Amino acid sequence: AQTVTQSQPEMSVQEAETVTLSCTYDTSESNYYLFWYKQPPSRQMILVIRQEAYKQQNATENRFSVNFQKAAKSFSLKISDSQLGDTAMYFCALLRYNNNDMRFGAGTRLTVKP
Amino acid sequence: SAVISQKPSRDICQRGTSLTIQCQVDSQVTMMFWYRQQPGQSLTLIATANQGSEATYESGFVIDKFPISRPNLTFSTLTVSNMSPEDSSIYLCSGRLAGGSEQFFGPGTRLTVL
Repeated sequence: AQTVTQSQPEMSVQEAETVTLSCTYDTSESNYYLFWYKQPPSRQMILVIRQEAYKQQNATENRFSVNFQKAAKSFSLKISDSQLGDTAMYFCALLRYNNNDMRFGAGTRLTVKP
Repeated sequence: SAVISQKPSRDICQRGTSLTIQCQVDSQVTMMFWYRQQPGQSLTLIATANQGSEATYESGFVIDKFPISRPNLTFSTLTVSNMSPEDSSIYLCSGRLAGGSEQFFGPGTRLTVL
């Protein structure tokens, strides 16, 4: 079975500071993808960052980076220099290779305060 | 990438009626999915829409209640039949390109059943 767990229902951070969102997952597969998706209030869900499990190097996209610990099945998202526009629900997701079903965590509601 | 649009964006319906939601993609996607999302909650997969054949439903969802069509690679519909207030939710269409892992999402249809 695949499961994705986000243990932080809500978080807040001051503008320009750094925040880390946690995600753990469980899968018996060795090949898979991990994702962080952002869903701003009343807006469309978009991809923030993607990590392929076979890659040891942590993915980075501008102010967003991940800490991927495969053995620990942990996939946290770090947002540096937080901006007001980062306020959103963030979902961690897991997709096995050659599989249709992307599994999502419960989400973390992040609020960036001015 | 792919851009996904949905119609209607929102609707208020009476108990016992049906609503058909349309999903249009600007690229040919191999995989299309329909999700349900309660506001502030995670996504629940309803079904995978298969081109030219019956959709594949997840546990707890049945074709009689949520009939799905997918006549080609860029279009799908989801019907919510014989609605009750428990069907009030956001319905999201999603697609994945051939050979890709990222899923693109539509803006959602917010359904309220009275």
